[in-house]
Amino acid sequence: DAGVIQSPRHEVTEMGQEVTLRCKPISGHNSLFWYRQTMMRGLELLIYFNNNVPIDDSGMPEDRFSAKMPNASFSTLKIQPSEPRDSAVYFCASRQNPGAEQTQYFGPGTRLLVL
Amino acid sequence: GNSVTQMEGPVTLSEEAFLTINCTYTATGYPSLFWYVQYPGEGLQLLLKATKADDKGSNKGFEATYRKETTSFHLEKGSVQVSDSAVYFCALSPLSGGYNKLIFGAGTRLAVHP
Repeated sequence: DAGVIQSPRHEVTEMGQEVTLRCKPISGHNSLFWYRQTMMRGLELLIYFNNNVPIDDSGMPEDRFSAKMPNASFSTLKIQPSEPRDSAVYFCASRQNPGAEQTQYFGPGTRLLVL
Repeated sequence: GNSVTQMEGPVTLSEEAFLTINCTYTATGYPSLFWYVQYPGEGLQLLLKATKADDKGSNKGFEATYRKETTSFHLEKGSVQVSDSAVYFCALSPLSGGYNKLIFGAGTRLAVHP
């Protein structure tokens, strides 16, 4: 199994630019999670999907952030416009079935630097 | 509400020392409990888990026992290695319907020196 795949692994951009992060969950997994990790705030859940439908987006910081899951094998997290305070590592995770197997499997992360 | 509290790090040990990382939780009902590990530059990996009271999760020499009476899930290892240097996260998944999310602690950094 390839595991959760994220791209790009590193992204450097300038303030005001649009940033799109991509995630491919493990095949057969029904739930997908986006997290942000910073030294100051630790690991934060931004949004999660079940069967491609957003279930909880209460962690999305503001309107500059948006996430989509057009099909079971792909999700994007978009920041527009980006700001320096968005610099962080963004993780995607997937899980097989809500309620039954609780284990989430994490991707390697995208390290974002906004200058 | 649901929350997880871990001991603050960093924890610095010599190789072959005994490790304990404390974790306590607050939750309604009987959550599932997890320890995840994050090695430098990588994503989080499941280390072990326990789904009911008195269960013991174990993996790679690490152990943790689900203690309902003390609402704790402390991580232990009898003899740490330099390769165990990482950040360790305690987490819970509340049993409140089908759409459960993990509640993570702040993480505890472990540094093991030769």
